[in-house]
Amino acid sequence: AQKVTQAQTEISVVEKEDVTLDCVYETRDTTYYLFWYKQPPSGELVFLIRRNSFDEQNEISGRYSWNFQKSTSSFNFTITASQVVDSAVYFCALIPSGNTGKLIFGQGTTLQVKP
Amino acid sequence: ETGVTQSPTHLIKTRGQQVTLRCSSQSGHNTVSWYQQALGQGPQFIFQYYREEENGRGNFPPRFSGLQFPNYSSELNVNALELDDSALYLCASSSGHFTGELFFGEGSRLTVL
Repeated sequence: AQKVTQAQTEISVVEKEDVTLDCVYETRDTTYYLFWYKQPPSGELVFLIRRNSFDEQNEISGRYSWNFQKSTSSFNFTITASQVVDSAVYFCALIPSGNTGKLIFGQGTTLQVKP
Repeated sequence: ETGVTQSPTHLIKTRGQQVTLRCSSQSGHNTVSWYQQALGQGPQFIFQYYREEENGRGNFPPRFSGLQFPNYSSELNVNALELDDSALYLCASSSGHFTGELFFGEGSRLTVL
């Protein structure tokens, strides 16, 4: 079965705090892709990162960083020094091998950053 | 560069009616995917079109159908609407056979009464 689990439904932090959003995935494929998308109130999903299953290097982009660990099937997302503009729903997603375009999304984590 | 645009943004229908949602893909993209997002849930894959052919379908009944036109724009049609069809319908475009980034529109919010 292919599945993505985001156990945290809602997280609330105060501006400048660091916050980590958890993502656990299930797939039997050896080749797959993992994603994080951000959904602001306007509704469109904004691409943040893609990672393929053969690349376990962690990645940092400004205040964002991602920790991919195949051993625990996790792909966690950390925002450092959070800002009010980071408030949104964040989705982790999986594309198994061969399923072009069919993203399997988690339930999403609503992040609220308070001033 | 023009992004993904969807219309209408909001609409209200009654049970049993039919609805057509439209999507213009991003310039240069030939693949369109449709997703249904119920309130508080993650998006669910409906189907994908590549060069005017359906190229993958999720777990949705046949009353959900689609089209892709030569200019790569797309329509999602839903017949015999049910209350549970109330959701945000998202269109995403990409170039070629995937694995890359999907570009999403802002969605069409459908309410079925």
